[in-house]
Amino acid sequence: AQSVTQLGSHVSVSEGALVLLRCNYSSSVPPYLFWYVQYPNQGLQLLLKYTTGATLVKGINGFEAEFKKSETSFHLTKPSAHMSDAAEYFCAVIPGYSSASKIIFGSGTRLSIRP
Amino acid sequence: GAVVSQHPSWVICKSGTSVKIECRSLDFQATTMFWYRQFPKQSLMLMATSNEGSKATYEQGVEKDKFLINHASLTLSTLTVTSAHPEDSSFYICSARIPGLAGAGELFFGEGSRLTVL
Repeated sequence: AQSVTQLGSHVSVSEGALVLLRCNYSSSVPPYLFWYVQYPNQGLQLLLKYTTGATLVKGINGFEAEFKKSETSFHLTKPSAHMSDAAEYFCAVIPGYSSASKIIFGSGTRLSIRP
Repeated sequence: GAVVSQHPSWVICKSGTSVKIECRSLDFQATTMFWYRQFPKQSLMLMATSNEGSKATYEQGVEKDKFLINHASLTLSTLTVTSAHPEDSSFYICSARIPGLAGAGELFFGEGSRLTVL
């Protein structure tokens, strides 16, 4: 069965510091991987996605993630945190070639930014 | 990018009444839309897949008669919470997929609708 594990329900970093949000997945077939951001009382916005090709994926707002098959990981990073990055972040996986209805979300990580 | 809009954003209703939430794809046609429920500080739970012109496909454990889904056009899906009770209070989110992009096709999410049942 496919699953997504986000380590750390809450991450707090100082403004300007490195942001690292961890995501590990389990999939029996090559996965499609996503990171979404959710601001309070809003829907989800796609940050970036990995389907095939280059394993380092760049997204919006300066975020990037690297697909590491050997580690079954897709960690999200940003070199320098900004106050506006405070939000809930969800990692998600679709088992390759599956319908979008099979998307599985992680439990989410709340990112707080300290001034 | 594509835009999906939900209405209303907030709704408060009395116990026993029905509430309708709309999900519209504003600049593309969506043959398939998805409805999720999100409890506080939790992830999204897929409730059902809404298919234009046919019956919705519900996930296990979701009451079909409680959560009525209608996908009457290529740009509109509605979720009706019938005879709502306080335990139905939640944040409901819809999403739509660009047709023709299976699996890796990007999902576009609505803004969400917060339902509070008194």
